[in-house]
Amino acid sequence: GDSVTQMEGPVTLSEEAFLTINCTYTATGYPSLFWYVQYPGEGLQLLLKATKADDKGSNKGFEATYRKETTSFHLEKGSVQVSDSAVYFCALSDPGGSYIPTFGRGTSLIVHP
Amino acid sequence: DAGVTQSPTHLIKTRGQQVTLRCSPKSGHDTVSWYQQALGQGPQFIFQYYEEEERQRGNFPDRFSGHQFPNYSSELNVNALLLGDSALYLCASSPTPGQMNTEAFFGQGTRLTVV
Repeated sequence: GDSVTQMEGPVTLSEEAFLTINCTYTATGYPSLFWYVQYPGEGLQLLLKATKADDKGSNKGFEATYRKETTSFHLEKGSVQVSDSAVYFCALSDPGGSYIPTFGRGTSLIVHP
Repeated sequence: DAGVTQSPTHLIKTRGQQVTLRCSPKSGHDTVSWYQQALGQGPQFIFQYYEEEERQRGNFPDRFSGHQFPNYSSELNVNALLLGDSALYLCASSPTPGQMNTEAFFGQGTRLTVV
């Protein structure tokens, strides 16, 4: 079945450092790919998405590129802030519109001042 | 737009009891899905409701059941609670299945603690 693998956390960075969180997936067909963010004590918020190969999703300084050849969707940000501290989930879903994402286990990001 | 709203936000129950969680979808959405998120894990799909029927179900026992009302709101019921049912329960709403290139919107969740 479909699955998502994320790098284990926590990832600990100083403010203004460069961030990469790795995500690879296994799926039949061509899924849509997502990054969700969960701040402490809150639900999930969609951060960005990409729906086809070579698409780049971006939002709030974060970006990720849909790489079909490497089945990857790594999340990057050039300069993290303390307010970016959260848990980040990579997810995929059937592009046919069932809206049932399959999630990775999440990667905790801790940014120190 | 109020987005997806869930109630209650926190709940404590005793083993063996039953619990009902509620969800109102985002305006314009008619499909509701429920997820269980254990501590330190990603959300796991429980089931999805559309047109007041359960359309898809994940790998959860029959103790987990649901309902969708004509106004698209939904309930998740869990019977015979176990300690392992302690988790954050997330509701997600989405448009009518089959529309391309859109996504689910999540509520803030209900934190259930079983003691």
